[in-house]
Amino acid sequence: DAGVIQSPRHEVTEMGQEVTLRCKPISGHDYLFWYRQTMMRGLELLIYFNNNVPIDDSGMPEDRFSAKMPNASFSTLKIQPSEPRDSAVYFCASTGDTGSYNEQFFGPGTRLTVL
Amino acid sequence: QKEVEQDPGPLSVPEGAIVSLNCTYSNSAFQYFMWYRQYSRKGPELLMYTYSSGNKEDGRFTAQVDKSSKYISLFIRDSQPSDSATYLCAMTLYNFNKFYFGSGTKLNVKP
Repeated sequence: DAGVIQSPRHEVTEMGQEVTLRCKPISGHDYLFWYRQTMMRGLELLIYFNNNVPIDDSGMPEDRFSAKMPNASFSTLKIQPSEPRDSAVYFCASTGDTGSYNEQFFGPGTRLTVL
Repeated sequence: QKEVEQDPGPLSVPEGAIVSLNCTYSNSAFQYFMWYRQYSRKGPELLMYTYSSGNKEDGRFTAQVDKSSKYISLFIRDSQPSDSATYLCAMTLYNFNKFYFGSGTKLNVKP
């Protein structure tokens, strides 16, 4: 398996622009998580899905952020409009039910810079 | 107060040293305790996990959980330059639940 796939790997945009981050979880995994990592705040959970349904979005910072999971193999995180304080590395992770402890597998991340 | 506190370091040690990394937490209901390792410009990878209290050993790594003190530790014996990375502790109430991560400790093992 190729692991969790994220695109793009790097994104540089200007304040006010819309940004869309993409994630393909590991096949067969039915949980998907979006995280944001910064030096100041560390790794923060933004939202997670189970079977394509959002379960907990309490970490989404504000209405400018939205996430969707239209099917089991694809999810997007959208920021509209983007602001410089959104600059961070965004990770997607997935896990599945194997009957015991279930490791979260992280993607390589998308490094977002908002100018 | 944050749910999980972790000293950000950086921690610099010579090759072969024993390393101790620690986290404290505030929620006594946490059941699963994990250590993730993150190399520069990569995603975190699970290193070890422990359910409830006790110790767990895997090669040069030992994870320890003291629920009475709300304190977890990761020990690395005979540290190697390849161990240089950021180590994040994480914990959760249940399986398939929200993870609470520490801010990570950056470790540098000098040859």
